Amino acid sequence: DVKVTQSSRYLVKRTGEKVFLECVQDMDHENMFWYRQDPGLGLRLIYFSYDVKMKEKGDIPEGYSVSREKKERFSLILESASTNQTSMYLCASSFPTTGQLYNEQFFGPGTRLTVL
Amino acid sequence: RKEVEQDPGPFNVPEGATVAFNCTYSNSASQSFFWYRQDCRKEPKLLMSVYSSGNEDGRFTAQLNRASQYISLLIRDSKLSDSATYLCVVNSAGNMLTFGGGTRLMVKP
Repeated sequence: DVKVTQSSRYLVKRTGEKVFLECVQDMDHENMFWYRQDPGLGLRLIYFSYDVKMKEKGDIPEGYSVSREKKERFSLILESASTNQTSMYLCASSFPTTGQLYNEQFFGPGTRLTVL
Repeated sequence: RKEVEQDPGPFNVPEGATVAFNCTYSNSASQSFFWYRQDCRKEPKLLMSVYSSGNEDGRFTAQLNRASQYISLLIRDSKLSDSATYLCVVNSAGNMLTFGGGTRLMVKP
């Protein structure tokens, strides 16, 4: 079974704090993703990484950065947390697309972050 | 206009009913299509891929209409355990997916 784990299920931080969200996958997937999920807005892609040290911006990268130093680990960083970053954060991983075959994304359980 | 649009519901149906959800997408170059299921307070999981010819998996049937740019999911003989949010997902290029907002289904006894 593919396993994607996230460092915390629930997190409460104060405005201005630096926040690290960690994600680890055990299936040797090249691709890793960070999403946030908000009511009425669905899942929105923050950042994507297709290899170690590689990253691409998603739809809403502002206020976030990422780090991928090892293949199995992808970190999301909020440099200075703000209240509008209160959300559910979901990490996912997959093998890369091969030709027309898009490979399934496997999700972690999510981290519910509250910024006060 | 959102890239992937779904009726948020909720759809309230009795056990045993047949229910159908539609989803529209705006990018005519979209290549791959999926339905994911998300239970309350859980992560999304792949329910099924959607192929051009339509495909069936037990009580679930998915269809794609490229001309009208919509995909559908039909659930027959609904079970209580089918209660969840169903996410329409589209891959337009490369490795990224675009998710719809989800349709909530509640199956009642």
